[in-house]
Amino acid sequence: EAGVAQSPRYKIIEKRQSVAFWCNPISGHATLYWYQQILGQGPKLLIQFQNNGVVDDSQLPKDRFSAERLKGVDSTLKIQPAKLEDSAVYLCASSTGTGGQETQYFGPGTRLLVL
Amino acid sequence: AQSVAQPEDQVNVAEGNPLTVKCTYSVSGNPYLFWYVQYPNRGLQFLLKYITGDNLVKGSYGFEAEFNKSQTSFHLKKPSALVSDSALYFCAVRGRNTGGFKTIFGAGTRLFVKA
Repeated sequence: EAGVAQSPRYKIIEKRQSVAFWCNPISGHATLYWYQQILGQGPKLLIQFQNNGVVDDSQLPKDRFSAERLKGVDSTLKIQPAKLEDSAVYLCASSTGTGGQETQYFGPGTRLLVL
Repeated sequence: AQSVAQPEDQVNVAEGNPLTVKCTYSVSGNPYLFWYVQYPNRGLQFLLKYITGDNLVKGSYGFEAEFNKSQTSFHLKKPSALVSDSALYFCAVRGRNTGGFKTIFGAGTRLFVKA
């Protein structure tokens, strides 16, 4: 079974530029998550989708971050404009549902450096 | 509000010795607890989880964890450490939040196993 796919793996941009990350979850997984992992910290949830609907985006900086999952499968996370503090690894994860016992499976992440 | 604490930034152990990585949590209601491992430039890999039942949970690669409700702890253990176990370990708690379940990760503990 293929895992969660993410691209690109690495991205370097200058501040105020825009960037987009792509994620394809495990086949059949209805729930998709985007996390931000700053160096030395644990992952922090940015947004959670159930199929193509948003379940939780309470920690998404909506003035600059946006995400979509139009067809309920793959997803795109965008940052516009980027700030220095956005430098982090962006992790995508998926699970079959939204219940408490659900295991999340993570992709390899996209490492973003904002200069 | 739910929270997770991993009190040790780093744990050092000699190969062949037992290892323990500590985790304590705070959550209202029944907790769902997870351990993940992260190798360099990789996403998080699921190790094990506690949902209900037996307090001792066995997982991948010989790891196990003990759920202790009175001490609100979920420490990760392995009887005999391998050099290849050296990695970053994250504890996570999943508790019911407004609108559903939310996962909170600890800051991580770096395990270093010396040959």
